[in-house]
Amino acid sequence: GAVVSQHPSWVICKSGTSVKIECRSLDFQATTMFWYRQFPKQSLMLMATSNEGSKATYEQGVEKDKFLINHASLTLSTLTVTSAHPEDSSFYICSARDRLGDYEQYFGPGTRLTVT
Amino acid sequence: SQELEQSPQSLIVQEGKNLTINCTSSKTLYGLYWYKQKYGEGLIFLMMLQKGGEEKSHEKITAKLDEKKQQSSLHITASQPSHAGIYLCGASYGNALNFGKGTSLLVTP
Repeated sequence: GAVVSQHPSWVICKSGTSVKIECRSLDFQATTMFWYRQFPKQSLMLMATSNEGSKATYEQGVEKDKFLINHASLTLSTLTVTSAHPEDSSFYICSARDRLGDYEQYFGPGTRLTVT
Repeated sequence: SQELEQSPQSLIVQEGKNLTINCTSSKTLYGLYWYKQKYGEGLIFLMMLQKGGEEKSHEKITAKLDEKKQQSSLHITASQPSHAGIYLCGASYGNALNFGKGTSLLVTP
């Protein structure tokens, strides 16, 4: 089946630094990947849609200069949290859509970010 | 505004009891997904429903999509501790999946 991986699975960083999270589709190609954020005891909120070879589309209220998304290949999208603050601490989950399949999204295992 | 409403928000049931979780959409659903999640972990895909009136089952979990395709229910029969977790319904309104707020299920001995 379709597998999506994320790296790292958890990361702790100091306030003011940047951290990069990778999302990879392991056995399929994904022209579209999605980034979600989940705060404790809340649902997944879509942050942005990442399109291979073009700029990401951000949801309302998500700062594009703070959350940099790069989808440089059909199997990799990265989310960089720049100048991280404690309020950015969250669970970040990516998903990928198989470009040759139906419109089903396959989810990664998530990355736990803690900003101290 | 929340396009997908889930109810109840949380549920505590005794082991062996049946339960139902509902998901209501403000728009016509073209695909309704059910996922299970343990807090801090990834999503476990349960089922996907597309056709009005469709019903799918897997082990003791059954999901239905109503004829008008704006509501789905997830029913667990004879609940077990392993069923505990957060249940999320998700729907696509054109692009990415949007999720309801989730239902937290606790199964007590």
